[in-house]
Amino acid sequence: EAQVTQNPRYLITVTGKKLTVTCSQNMNHEYMSWYRQDPGLGLRQIYYSMNVEVTDKGDVPEGYKVSRKEKRNFPLILESPSPNQTSLYFCASSLRTAGSQGYTFGSGTRLTVV
Amino acid sequence: AQSVTQLGSHVSVSEGALVLLRCNYSSSVPPYLFWYVQYPNQGLQLLLKYTSAATLVKGINGFEAEFKKSETSFHLTKPSAHMSDAAEYFCAVSRANAGGTSYGKLTFGQGTILTVHP
Repeated sequence: EAQVTQNPRYLITVTGKKLTVTCSQNMNHEYMSWYRQDPGLGLRQIYYSMNVEVTDKGDVPEGYKVSRKEKRNFPLILESPSPNQTSLYFCASSLRTAGSQGYTFGSGTRLTVV
Repeated sequence: AQSVTQLGSHVSVSEGALVLLRCNYSSSVPPYLFWYVQYPNQGLQLLLKYTSAATLVKGINGFEAEFKKSETSFHLTKPSAHMSDAAEYFCAVSRANAGGTSYGKLTFGQGTILTVHP
């Protein structure tokens, strides 16, 4: 089944403790992206990647890191999480023409930082 | 720069009534436009997309949207609401470059929660 898989689905952590949220897609998509969803703000793009080793900042990149060493994987790294990063995170992927095809989204990761 | 404004954070309709969710966009170049739906505790599912072909776009579950360049709008409609349509709906925009390909940046509106009453 074609899908985007995120792990974990739920995560509670403490301020300052480094964490990684994994994302993997099995559709051979070039484009991958991370979004965070907050009530009343919709989804805001954190980072996106156009292909292996090619990444760029979205609208809210501060406090996050990404890497794209393999086409199928696009992990999101929080080096020193803070409470304002408590949110629902979505990974998404698309064929090269991401803008015209739209993204396929994962099921989300609900992160709580205390 | 591109942006999306969804008018109304909450819309409530009766079952069988018309559904109208409003979306206005801002883009300096011809846009690609999308509607996504999010059911509780799930990810986002693509409902429909406009990519410069027909201005009236039909999607899944009986939804459709019309691209109106003069009004910079892309409103979502469904003639008759069903209880299963209750969800949050997001309008999104991306932009094409001069060559017709597009960028990876997809910008979302704030979302509209649709409630359907029996």
